[in-house]
Amino acid sequence: DTAVSQTPKYLVTQMGNDKSIKCEQNLGHDTMYWYKQDSKKFLKIMFSYNNKELIINETVPNRFSPKSPDKAHLNLHINSLELGDSAVYFCASSQVFKREGPRLNEQFFGPGTRLTVL
Amino acid sequence: AQKVTQAQTEISVVEKEDVTLDCVYETRDTTYYLFWYKQPPSGELVFLIRRNSFDEQNEISGRYSWNFQKSTSSFNFTITASQVVDSAVYFCALSEALQAGTALIFGKGTTLSVSS
Repeated sequence: DTAVSQTPKYLVTQMGNDKSIKCEQNLGHDTMYWYKQDSKKFLKIMFSYNNKELIINETVPNRFSPKSPDKAHLNLHINSLELGDSAVYFCASSQVFKREGPRLNEQFFGPGTRLTVL
Repeated sequence: AQKVTQAQTEISVVEKEDVTLDCVYETRDTTYYLFWYKQPPSGELVFLIRRNSFDEQNEISGRYSWNFQKSTSSFNFTITASQVVDSAVYFCALSEALQAGTALIFGKGTTLSVSS
C-alpha cells in the first residue's frame, strides 16, 4: 500500500544510453511532479503535470521527456544520458482542493531513483 | 521571486542538546505554504510539517517545534533533546498557492549530525 512508488530504485548505465524511470501514485491525486536532487543534495523541480497536462517545464534539456499516460502515472524518459545526469530523481504527487479558501499543495514523495551514469 | 535560504549548511550537536535550524524565505504572494522535510541517510523525503501563511501560531509535536514569524520571513525548526536518530538533512520549502502543479521551492538543506 505504498503511496508513491518509483521503479527502479537504482539505475546504473553507460553514457549515451536511453533509460526510463516509472512513477505511480495510488492516492487519487491529480498532480504529479519530478524533482532532481544533485550531488550537493539540492532539490529542484523539473516537471509537473496536472490531469495529464504539463504545467511546469523548468529549464531541463529536451533529452528529458516526461509522459503521463493517466493521472496515476508520470514516467520520465531520458535520451542520450550524460555524466551530469547522475542524481537522485524524486517523483511526487499532490491534490489541489478546489474549495473556498486557499488550495493545499502538500506533496507526497516517492522513495527516489538513484541514477548513475558511467 | 521565490527563494528559501537555509544559512546553516551543517550542524553538529551531542545527544540531548537542543538545536534550531533556521529558514528564511522570500515571496511576493500573500498566500503561501511553508514546509519542513527530513531526509535521513536512507534517502527518502519525510514530510514533517506544513504551515499556512495566514496561521502564525507556533506548533509543537513531541520534541519538534516550529516558530513562524511573518515579520522576519522566518520559519525555524527546533529539536529539543536531540537524539542520534535525528541525524539527517532537513529541508525547508515554500509553495505559492496559485494553481495546480505549483512546485515546492527548496532551501539547500541543513545537515544535522547528532553524536552520542
